[in-house]
Amino acid sequence: EVQLVESGGGLVQPGGSLRLSCAASGFAFSAYWMHWVRQAPGKGPVWVSRINSDGNLITYADSVKGRFTVSRDNAKNTLYLQMNSLRAGDTAVYFCARGGTGDRWGQGTLVTVSS
Amino acid sequence: DVVMTQSPLSLPVTLGQPASISCKSSQSLVHSDGNTYLNWFQQRPGQSPRRLIYKVSNRDSGVPDRFSGSGSGTDFTLKISRVEAEDVGVYYCMQGTHWPFTFGPGTKVDIK
Repeated sequence: EVQLVESGGGLVQPGGSLRLSCAASGFAFSAYWMHWVRQAPGKGPVWVSRINSDGNLITYADSVKGRFTVSRDNAKNTLYLQMNSLRAGDTAVYFCARGGTGDRWGQGTLVTVSS
Repeated sequence: DVVMTQSPLSLPVTLGQPASISCKSSQSLVHSDGNTYLNWFQQRPGQSPRRLIYKVSNRDSGVPDRFSGSGSGTDFTLKISRVEAEDVGVYYCMQGTHWPFTFGPGTKVDIK
């Protein structure tokens, strides 16, 4: 069974940092593009970043470029999102998603940026 | 960025009756590879989004055949042939042709 389990969310002050993880199982992780998508409370989803199977093709939404870094460890079947210089507007549930356009999603991890 | 619009934004439906959601994009979703990456997602209350339809009209594994997608270019439609209680939630169209991928505002489906 395909499983994606996000972790690492929490409450952080503006300007702070967090590192999210997404543990994958039940499929050949190293063969898939992976994505981070976030959803602010009561709002629709917004694509944040994507990374190809080898980790050498990465793109970001303009809103996070220069502050967030996506990476992956195919040996550990894990996707990461390093988030720096966090702002109140980054408050959201962060999901990892598999494949070209997200055929499987995790349950999400909540990031709250507040003083 | 490609802007996705949906109508209606709220759709009260009677159990067993059909439902239809329209989605329009601000530019063509035909990719240079010839595919059209228009997808439909369902988000039930308290759950993660679930992809129902990919590349306009292909149902994902496990999706009931009462869901169907159609369209081309910039105009797309999701149809539910007979609404069931488990179909309550928010439905999003999403384009995966142009980066950044973008979602529509969502259509909230509930039971009359």
